[in-house]
Amino acid sequence: AQSVTQPDIHITVSEGASLELRCNYSYGATPYLFWYVQSPGQGLQLLLKYFSGDTLVQGIKGFEAEFKRSQSSFNLRKPSVHWSDAAEYFCAVASDSSYKLIFGSGTRLLVRP
Amino acid sequence: SAVISQKPSRDICQRGTSLTIQCQVDSQVTMMFWYRQQPGQSLTLIATANQGSEATYESGFVIDKFPISRPNLTFSTLTVSNMSPEDSSIYLCSVEGGLRDGYTFGSGTRLTVV
Repeated sequence: AQSVTQPDIHITVSEGASLELRCNYSYGATPYLFWYVQSPGQGLQLLLKYFSGDTLVQGIKGFEAEFKRSQSSFNLRKPSVHWSDAAEYFCAVASDSSYKLIFGSGTRLLVRP
Repeated sequence: SAVISQKPSRDICQRGTSLTIQCQVDSQVTMMFWYRQQPGQSLTLIATANQGSEATYESGFVIDKFPISRPNLTFSTLTVSNMSPEDSSIYLCSVEGGLRDGYTFGSGTRLTVV
């Protein structure tokens, strides 16, 4: 069965610093991978997705993620974090056999002024 | 991508009662999904609802507790039955707009059981 691991429960970065949130997946075939953001009291917003092709994908709000099959990873990055990026970030995986979207445990990002 | 209207946005309910949550989609979709997000936790899939068939429940979730209806391709309901404080969570519906387009989520129903 497919699964997603986000090893970092909390990450704190200073405003303007770079950010990398880790995500590892477990799935036999090529997965469909997603990053979502949930701000306090808000719904889920899709940041970016990967399904095939170029392994570096660009998303909204200046985020990007790189798919590395050899490491079963799909890490989210941003070169310069803004205070408004403070939120919960979820990595998720789906497949074309089940279509169920399975979420990782999430990483809470805190931004220091 | 699809737009989902989810109701109610929040509710406070007495233990032992039931609450029905509605999701209306602005386009026809094959699959709808229901998730639970317990306080401070991630999203856990409750069930997958396809029109014209029984919902498929994930391990740990049963139809008697979380009955789901899917009468047409734009609407679904989730009922939380015989509620206890442990059911206090955010419940979200989601639709799949093609794996390559991603999944859209409703704004969620924040349920508090007292």
